[in-house]
Amino acid sequence: GESVGLHLPTLSVQEGDNSIINCAYSNSASDYFIWYKQESGKGPQFIIDIRSNMDKRQGQRVTVLLNKTVKHLSLQIAATQPGDSAVYFCAENINFNKFYFGSGTKLNVKP
Amino acid sequence: DARVTQTPRHKVTEMGQEVTMRCQPILGHNTVFWYRQTMMQGLELLAYFRNRAPLDDSGMPKDRFSAEMPDATLATLKIQPSEPRDSAVYFCASGTSDYGYTFGSGTRLTVV
Repeated sequence: GESVGLHLPTLSVQEGDNSIINCAYSNSASDYFIWYKQESGKGPQFIIDIRSNMDKRQGQRVTVLLNKTVKHLSLQIAATQPGDSAVYFCAENINFNKFYFGSGTKLNVKP
Repeated sequence: DARVTQTPRHKVTEMGQEVTMRCQPILGHNTVFWYRQTMMQGLELLAYFRNRAPLDDSGMPKDRFSAEMPDATLATLKIQPSEPRDSAVYFCASGTSDYGYTFGSGTRLTVV
């Protein structure tokens, strides 16, 4: 349910490296998941989604992996760029009703 | 690109005043959410609508907050009376059941 944003975990990566951001979701009944990217002063921006009948989905430079057994979601970003620096949230959803957001991970890309 | 439009972008008001935030969802989107974001609590769901009908507003303090959709092009979130603890960024998001939801740029509310 609630997300706590006081102490965001931070992932620091070198430009050009791959990034992996992890998320543990709470409800085994969740059937739809979204990764959002939020830059400072902006609203969350949709990156990629995945439904529970899939375990992997690829987009442009991003891949989402879903492990329903352990209720774990990950976002992989290939060849990370400075523009990828942001806070990343996973969100879980049941039957396209309300979304619950994770607490977020701050990605810091070093040039 | 279609986008969710929120107004105002910034609002500073005195404690006790009424605040109204507006959201224009993307045309054709039948689901609208209101979220509040603070450093302490992260993103909290306040209310959401589907086909203009309120589905859940359990996250909203009922005594002072109200959310409405007078028509398909406008969603409003009202706080009366406002309190300093309401200071936050309020986001509106819209979407359909076929795709992820699009967020607006938010209204940054400061209650002094």
